[in-house]
Amino acid sequence: EDQVTQSPEALRLQEGESSSLNCSYTVSGLRGLFWYRQDPGKGPEFLFTLYSAGEEKEKERLKATLTKKESFLHITAPKPEDSATYLCAVQAGYSSASKIIFGSGTRLSIRP
Amino acid sequence: GAVVSQHPSWVICKSGTSVKIECRSLDFQATTMFWYRQFPKQSLMLMATSNEGSKATYEQGVEKDKFLINHASLTLSTLTVTSAHPEDSSFYICSARRVDRVMVNEKLFFGSGTQLSVL
Repeated sequence: EDQVTQSPEALRLQEGESSSLNCSYTVSGLRGLFWYRQDPGKGPEFLFTLYSAGEEKEKERLKATLTKKESFLHITAPKPEDSATYLCAVQAGYSSASKIIFGSGTRLSIRP
Repeated sequence: GAVVSQHPSWVICKSGTSVKIECRSLDFQATTMFWYRQFPKQSLMLMATSNEGSKATYEQGVEKDKFLINHASLTLSTLTVTSAHPEDSSFYICSARRVDRVMVNEKLFFGSGTQLSVL
C-alpha cells in the first residue's frame, strides 16, 4: 500500500535555527513528490516538485532534496513568517491521472 | 503563478439542505481536479478525482450520491454536498493539476478552501 509519513509531527525552532523536515514514502513507482505550505484556514501553497532521486530545488530559505525513500525540506535561518504546516505529497503510478497521497504534515513554529 | 479560485470560503447551512462549492482554474485549463476534505490538525484526505467530461472517481468510503461532483468544463468543477448533516462539517479543498509541456513540469494548485458548518 502506498504510504507517506512525515516527521516530526511538530517542530518548534528559534528564529535563525536551521533544521530539516522529513518525508518518507513507500509507493509503487514515484511519479513526483510535492512539498506544500499551509497556513491555518487556507489551502496549501505549492513549494516544490521533485521527480527523481538526487534532485534538489531551492526557494529562499527552503531547500528540498529527494532520495529513493525519502525527501527532506531543509529550512535555513528561519523567520517567524515561516511558521506554517508543511505538507509532503507523492504521486504514485505511471498515469498522469494517478492520485496524489498526502502525509500528515509537520507543524513548524518559529519563535522570534 | 497559477490561480485556483474556490467559492464560497465558508458556509453555514441547516441539516438536510444541499451546498454547492465551486472550484475554478483561472489562468489554465485543468483536465483533472481533485476534491479533498481536511479535519482540524489533520492532513488532506482525497475524496474524489474529477475528470473533465467524464464521471468522477471516488475514493473508498466516500458516498458518490452524497458528494456530487461535476466537471463540466476545463476550468470548473463543482462539489455538491447533498442533504448535509453535522458530520459533514469540515474544511473542503479543491485542487487543479496543471501540466506544462508533456508532463515535464507538473504542479497541483489548490483553492483557498471552504469551511462548511452544518447546524
